[in-house]
Amino acid sequence: DQQVKQNSPSLSVQEGRISILNCDYTNSMFDYFLWYKKYPAEGPTFLISISSIKDKNEDGRFTVFLNKSAKHLSLHIVPSQPGDSAVYFCAASESGNKLVFGAGTILRVKS
Amino acid sequence: NAGVTQTPKFQVLKTGQSMTLQCAQDMNHEYMSWYRQDPGMGLRLIHYSVGAGITDQGEVPNGYNVSRSTTEDFPLRLLSAAPSQTSVYFCASSYSLAGELFFGEGSRLTVL
Repeated sequence: DQQVKQNSPSLSVQEGRISILNCDYTNSMFDYFLWYKKYPAEGPTFLISISSIKDKNEDGRFTVFLNKSAKHLSLHIVPSQPGDSAVYFCAASESGNKLVFGAGTILRVKS
Repeated sequence: NAGVTQTPKFQVLKTGQSMTLQCAQDMNHEYMSWYRQDPGMGLRLIHYSVGAGITDQGEVPNGYNVSRSTTEDFPLRLLSAAPSQTSVYFCASSYSLAGELFFGEGSRLTVL
């Protein structure tokens, strides 16, 4: 049973527009959430994180929103660029324990 | 600064063969882990280590063995390869179990 779900396998967005990647989780004890980005033939790289005591964290073009009541996490990329085309994984942790990853969403930004 | 280095990058095995995926990190991280990535399954934790001499099982440990004799190295051993172990394997290191993970470039393994 997947505790972290990314229900959209892929997303296509026009360059300059907003990309919104979604993630749902079932474990209400998760208290730390991260997003990773992965290019083909490379390892995933850390993008942004958020603690459960916050509902928003921003880093340049990337913003992560956390809705604890809905157990929902989203990553906003504004404006989207062709170089953002990659697989995005969300991950969650409970009390500093091992990360649990979602299945990933392939983002394609069209120029 | 090399970060996390994995070898080999590609490997083809026959069913029943054994092999070791090597992983080394130069960031002095205590935590190291092995993941496999399969389509539609995301990244699943195989084994992890919280320091030299200490290892533990992750979500999908069957068919794999690990050891951690030094802080730098964390090899993953496939004892008797099976087609179900065809996957891309990633080694990662970090300051903490749940913190920012630094991944290697991956090792693509095919078991025929």
